[in-house]
Amino acid sequence: GQGVEQPAKLMSVEGTFARVNCTYSTSGFNGLSWYQQREGQAPVFLSYVVLDGLKDSGHFSTFLSRSNGYSYLLLTELQIKDSASYLCAVRNNTNTGKLTFGDGTVLTVKP
Amino acid sequence: EAAVTQSPRSKVAVTGGKVTLSCHQTNNHDYMYWYRQDTGHGLRLIHYSYVADSTEKGDIPDGYKASRPSQENFSLILELASLSQTAVYFCASRAPLGGLEQYFGPGTRLTVL
Repeated sequence: GQGVEQPAKLMSVEGTFARVNCTYSTSGFNGLSWYQQREGQAPVFLSYVVLDGLKDSGHFSTFLSRSNGYSYLLLTELQIKDSASYLCAVRNNTNTGKLTFGDGTVLTVKP
Repeated sequence: EAAVTQSPRSKVAVTGGKVTLSCHQTNNHDYMYWYRQDTGHGLRLIHYSYVADSTEKGDIPDGYKASRPSQENFSLILELASLSQTAVYFCASRAPLGGLEQYFGPGTRLTVL
């Protein structure tokens, strides 16, 4: 089977950073992506990783450890507008592109 | 302009009634997906399609049918709506070589009474 787990909530302070964790178990792994979803809106693609290590994309960075079934999304220099739900999604089949989503982590950025 | 659009944006249906949700994309993508999202939860895949006139079952297909009459259009059909199908439904598309990047429509909020 396949499962994707994320903490339900996370709180941080404006100007600092936040790390959103994601753990997964899958019969076959073919990449992991992160989406941002604001209240009442559609998910928006942020980043994806397929190889181990840290992928720096500026405000958003993504880390992956395939041997540990673990990824995180790192947001730096937080702004109030970064408050949103962050969804982790795992792909186990390249052809279908099917994604299995976690329940999301609601990040609250306080002044 | 929005590349993935959905209609209606919200709908109230009665138990046992038929509901059709529509999705239209101008991305020229082959792959399209239907997800449902329950409050406080992630997205679950209902049906998907990678070519016109063909659909595939996702992870939770029971109680739903799908139709892909053209590359641009993908519909989700609830023949006999039930209370448990109250949710927000999202349509998404992706390019063949863009497997991890899906583009989502704005969603349809369905309430079954």
